[in-house]
Amino acid sequence: EIVLTQSPGTLSLSPGERATLSCRASQSVSSNYLAWYQHKPGQAPRLLIYGASNRATGIPDRFSGRGSGTDFTLTISRLEPDDFAIYYCQQCGSSLPLTFGGGTKVEIK
Amino acid sequence: QLQLQESGPGLVKPSETLSLTCTVYDESFSGYYWSWIRQPPGKGLEWIGEIDHSGTTNYNPSLKSRLTISGDSSQNQFSLKLSSVTAADTAVYYCARKNRNFYYDRSGYGYYWYFDLWGRGTLVAVSS
Repeated sequence: EIVLTQSPGTLSLSPGERATLSCRASQSVSSNYLAWYQHKPGQAPRLLIYGASNRATGIPDRFSGRGSGTDFTLTISRLEPDDFAIYYCQQCGSSLPLTFGGGTKVEIK
Repeated sequence: QLQLQESGPGLVKPSETLSLTCTVYDESFSGYYWSWIRQPPGKGLEWIGEIDHSGTTNYNPSLKSRLTISGDSSQNQFSLKLSSVTAADTAVYYCARKNRNFYYDRSGYGYYWYFDLWGRGTLVAVSS
């Protein structure tokens, strides 16, 4: 099983600041299968990034993803009030079982 | 608009079987994988398993011995049955669609895979 470790667990930032979230895999993940999601309480998770660096439909360009192999990063260039949420990385089929990272909570400082 | 909706009992007794159904609205059932994912209180997301339109399934090995996922393409529904539940199975259960996107560039060609549609989730508590 591929274990995804996200860091930090919590990121305390102010609106307008830059957020950098890390996702490290226990073994190499094909970029084709690496996705990022935003999750707010009581809502369905929302796809942000697929293929490690491709923004999903309707996702603003302040969200960007990069990385390969075992190290992936999600960056939010300028936080807006609506961006405070929990973010998960996921390997979506590089191997079974599909796995998620433990999440990074981005909270208002 | 509502595209995936989970339904089923919100309370299940220990040792019994948890049963949920996901209805797919306004979307084709064919050509995709349909997954169940859960989130225990205060914890992260766990993939449970998936089924495609032909009935091919993949299960999380940690749940495989207790798990059955089935589909009914005529009803645009797929279902989850998890037997012999304990308090550890208390969670919000989500259904989701796994989609793929073909790419062709200088590096070659292939598919990106991701979950692009999710239900809002349903809380299932295991308690006597």
